[in-house]
Amino acid sequence: QITLKESGPTLVKPTQTLTLTCTFSGFSLSTSGVGVGWIRQPPGKALEWLALIYWDDDKRYSPSLKSRLTITKDTSKNQVVLTMTNMDPVDTATYYCAHIGSGWWGERWDYWGQGTLVTVSS
Amino acid sequence: EIVLTQSPATLSLSPGERATLSCRASQSVSSYLAWYQQKPGQAPRLLIYDASNRATGIPARFSGSGSGTDFTLTISSLEPEDFAVYYCQQRSNYTFGPGTKVDIK
Repeated sequence: QITLKESGPTLVKPTQTLTLTCTFSGFSLSTSGVGVGWIRQPPGKALEWLALIYWDDDKRYSPSLKSRLTITKDTSKNQVVLTMTNMDPVDTATYYCAHIGSGWWGERWDYWGQGTLVTVSS
Repeated sequence: EIVLTQSPATLSLSPGERATLSCRASQSVSSYLAWYQQKPGQAPRLLIYDASNRATGIPARFSGSGSGTDFTLTISSLEPEDFAVYYCQQRSNYTFGPGTKVDIK
């Protein structure tokens, strides 16, 4: 059974750096074809893709946020960490991580964490 | 960057009716398009991947079609639990569409 859970601060101040951790079980990030993605959703708004990392350490970033994001993995701890610098109130959102499975069948973002709400305010 | 447009923004229908949702890409994404359902306070749920493949456990009333720039999600007969917001996502550069809300007429 695959599960993911996001953790991190619920409140950050403007200009601070946000560090979020996705802790997962039921799969390994050392398995070929596996990845983890980060997605956010401001209150009442649409989903926005942020970053992803694959089993082979291939990393992809949203072009509009690339300069502020860093994604890393710790395979031994079953964790993926996302850092976002220079936080602003417009970054207030629920942040989700998702399991990515890819192979001959295609690619599926098929398991999602419950999300964690991050508020940016002084 | 590939931009996804979804229409209509809101679809008002009654249970038992057929729902047809559209997703259009600003350039070809081949068949690399997924559909998600999201209910209030919940994480998105994968319905369809690679344009037409139903995800595990998704009822047969959900179907996806299309390729290139034009895609459709069809719900053949709406159940009460299907009223939600639906998003498309392309995996050329992973962007999401703005969503279509399916609400009860």
